[in-house]
Amino acid sequence: SAVISQKPSRDICQRGTSLTIQCQVDSQVTMMFWYRQQPGQSLTLIATANQGSEATYESGFVIDKFPISRPNLTFSTLTVSNMSPEDSSIYLCSVTGDSSYEQYFGPGTRLTVT
Amino acid sequence: RKEVEQDPGPFNVPEGATVAFNCTYSNSASQSFFWYRQDCRKEPKLLMSVYSSGNEDGRFTAQLNRASQYISLLIRDSKLSDSATYLCVVLFGNFNKFYFGSGTKLNVKP
Repeated sequence: SAVISQKPSRDICQRGTSLTIQCQVDSQVTMMFWYRQQPGQSLTLIATANQGSEATYESGFVIDKFPISRPNLTFSTLTVSNMSPEDSSIYLCSVTGDSSYEQYFGPGTRLTVT
Repeated sequence: RKEVEQDPGPFNVPEGATVAFNCTYSNSASQSFFWYRQDCRKEPKLLMSVYSSGNEDGRFTAQLNRASQYISLLIRDSKLSDSATYLCVVLFGNFNKFYFGSGTKLNVKP
């Protein structure tokens, strides 16, 4: 399994500002995913980020609001732009192995927007 | 209809009990199936992958029924440490898109 770290682990931000979340993996992986988990809810996929191509966004999520970078096979960032209190959530990155579909998750970033 | 649906929780059981969770999925072309465990304020962790007719890992048994489009998780001899939320996850087709169930909360009591 992959070891995944995320920064920051938590943050409290003012509305209207932006926050960039970093996801670092200890091995090279093709597919990385970004999820949001709101309090008491399950995970919702924001986008799939593959190295060398534009991220693929799910319905309800747009690049202007959640720009994603994937500069190499071990790193990705998700930016939450122009934040509002509704963006308060846990944001998780995950990866799948190249030879299996098992997903491994980072520890998450707990975001509170005031 | 949601793509993946799970038993509503919480399940409150005594230590040593056997408990079973079910999960149904809507897409018959679903390819892979997983159970994840999520502790409070932690990330999901893979518990078991479920392939073909199911598999067993110690006290945990996962079954897949493709005809009825459901998977199940059986936990025998429940421990206090089994208390968590169990997420059913389904990979649909070849799109590498995972669908998560809403989770079933298990509370194992002394």
